[in-house]
Amino acid sequence: KAGVTQTPRYLIKTRGQQVTLSCSPISGHRSVSWYQQTPGQGLQFLFEYFSETQRNKGNFPGRFSGRQFSNSRSEMNVSTLELGDSALYLCASSLDGRVGKNIQYFGAGTRLSVL
Amino acid sequence: GQQVMQIPQYQHVQEGEDFTTYCNSSTTLSNIQWYKQRPGGHPVFLIQLVKSGEVKKQKRLTFQFGEAKKNSSLHITATQTTDVGTYFCAGNTGTASKLTFGTGTRLQVTL
Repeated sequence: KAGVTQTPRYLIKTRGQQVTLSCSPISGHRSVSWYQQTPGQGLQFLFEYFSETQRNKGNFPGRFSGRQFSNSRSEMNVSTLELGDSALYLCASSLDGRVGKNIQYFGAGTRLSVL
Repeated sequence: GQQVMQIPQYQHVQEGEDFTTYCNSSTTLSNIQWYKQRPGGHPVFLIQLVKSGEVKKQKRLTFQFGEAKKNSSLHITATQTTDVGTYFCAGNTGTASKLTFGTGTRLQVTL
């Protein structure tokens, strides 16, 4: 089985721009979660999608949004980029996200640099 | 909200020494998972514990879930340079699907 695929791997943007990141989960996995990783803050949960619906949300501003398609692929969007948004964005998929079926399989991540 | 802290934040050991990282949750957990992230890589699942007091072993790694299901530990016996990385614990509260990750412990191993 192919693993979790994230595109692009690297992105450079300037402040004020917006960005869209993509994630293709493992075949058969219906839950997709997004995390932001920075050296000082560790792994911060952004949101989780299941069956095209946002099921959980972390403590991030509304500039961070996402969606999930019928094939479980997911996209994450950040609008009006700020310098502090520079980070590694990780996507993880799991069978269905419920306790006992939520082992996270991570993609390689998208490294976003905001200048 | 739920907080999961890990100590220490960083540990540097010589190859062959033992290493332990501790994970403490502010709330009772229904399960605990452990992940390892190599430098430049992404987190990779190691193991899941669900029962109070459960102990599991994977070769040199021993994982324990506390009796009160609010803490966990990962112990590595006789570290090797291949153990280098950051170890994260993560857990769920009740039946909620949101998984909360710990702050991580970075392990450095030198010869």
